[in-house]
Amino acid sequence: DAGVIQSPRHEVTEMGQEVTLRCKPISGHNSLFWYRQTMMRGLELLIYFNNNVPIDDSGMPEDRFSAKMPNASFSTLKIQPSEPRDSAVYFCASSLGLNQETQYFGPGTRLLVL
Amino acid sequence: AQSVTQPDIHITVSEGASLELRCNYSYGATPYLFWYVQSPGQGLQLLLKYFSGDTLVQGIKGFEAEFKRSQSSFNLRKPSVHWSDAAEYFCAVGDPSGYSTLTFGKGTMLLVSP
Repeated sequence: DAGVIQSPRHEVTEMGQEVTLRCKPISGHNSLFWYRQTMMRGLELLIYFNNNVPIDDSGMPEDRFSAKMPNASFSTLKIQPSEPRDSAVYFCASSLGLNQETQYFGPGTRLLVL
Repeated sequence: AQSVTQPDIHITVSEGASLELRCNYSYGATPYLFWYVQSPGQGLQLLLKYFSGDTLVQGIKGFEAEFKRSQSSFNLRKPSVHWSDAAEYFCAVGDPSGYSTLTFGKGTMLLVSP
């Protein structure tokens, strides 16, 4: 299996621009998670889906952030408009299910907003 | 709500020496417990997990962890550290009774000196 695939791996953009991060989970996995990692705040869970349905988006920092999962093999995290404080590494992870299931992480997207 | 504390932000160990990384959790019952490792520029990878049964858990790369209910701890150990073990290590807890996901600690950065 190819594992969790994220694109792009690196993104540099200017403040105010729209940013779209993409994730392909492991085939057969029913749960998908978006995390953000910064030096100051560590690893934060932004939102997670189960069977393509958003379960908890309480970690999404602001309305500028949105996430979708139109089908079992694809998810996006969008920031519009982006701000310098959004600079971070964004991880996608997938698992067979919630709770006790092991989460498999993608390599991350390193975002820099100038 | 569950929480995880990793009291050591950085630890430096000589190559060949033993290692113990601390993890304490707060939860009303016995949670599910995990250790993940993150190499530079990579996503998180599962080292080991505890659900129930034997309180000493063996993982990959020669790591083990021991669940101690009385101390609410799940410390990670390795008898002899290799330079390739230099990475950041995350402890995480899951709620066995709920429809929820993992809570991660802030991480401990392991440095290995020659």
